Amino acid sequence: AQSVTQLDSQVPVFEEAPVELRCNYSSSVSVYLFWYVQYPNQGLQLLLKYLSGSTLVKGINGFEAEFNKSQTSFHLRKPSVHISDTAEYFCAVIYLSGGYNKLIFGAGTRLAVHP
Amino acid sequence: DTGVSQNPRHKITKRGQNVTFRCDPISEHNRLYWYRQTLGQGPEFLTYFQNEAQLEKSRLLSDRFSAERPKGSFSTLEIQRTEQGDSAMYLCASSLPGQAQPQHFGDGTRLSIL
Repeated sequence: AQSVTQLDSQVPVFEEAPVELRCNYSSSVSVYLFWYVQYPNQGLQLLLKYLSGSTLVKGINGFEAEFNKSQTSFHLRKPSVHISDTAEYFCAVIYLSGGYNKLIFGAGTRLAVHP
Repeated sequence: DTGVSQNPRHKITKRGQNVTFRCDPISEHNRLYWYRQTLGQGPEFLTYFQNEAQLEKSRLLSDRFSAERPKGSFSTLEIQRTEQGDSAMYLCASSLPGQAQPQHFGDGTRLSIL
């Protein structure tokens, strides 16, 4: 079955420290990959996406992610976090298997940045 | 730049009642999606429209659920005879045509069943 696994449900980190949020997907078929952020009582905002080309993609708010096809991973990183980065982060995948391909989301990782 | 708009933001109702939510997509987006998000989980796909045509429905969308997009602009999601398990955030998203086009999400409607 096509699925997305976010390996950490919660990640606590101190302000200005680096952070990595991990995401693995289930299949080796071609994919599009996305990271979204959700602040309390709000919808999802796109951070970045990988469609093709360079495996390192840069997004908004200083985030970046690296696509690793052999490990079927798309981990999100930020070199120095701020208090305002506290939010829920969702990895999402479109499996390009023909027909309409819907977004499949992971369960989310809650990033808590402490002063 | 007006984003995706969802109304109401919150809905509290008694079990067994019918509820209807509205989504207004970004004006030039012809694709519209509904998702459901329960506490502590990621969004789950419910259904998808291209213009006024409903092209895919998830098995999560029981016969108590119906979605429409009559003129290819706004959409409504109705839940009949609500149950406790329907309590969730209902998210709407829209996009331009093409799988590579990112989906833009509204702030959702939070449904609470008493």
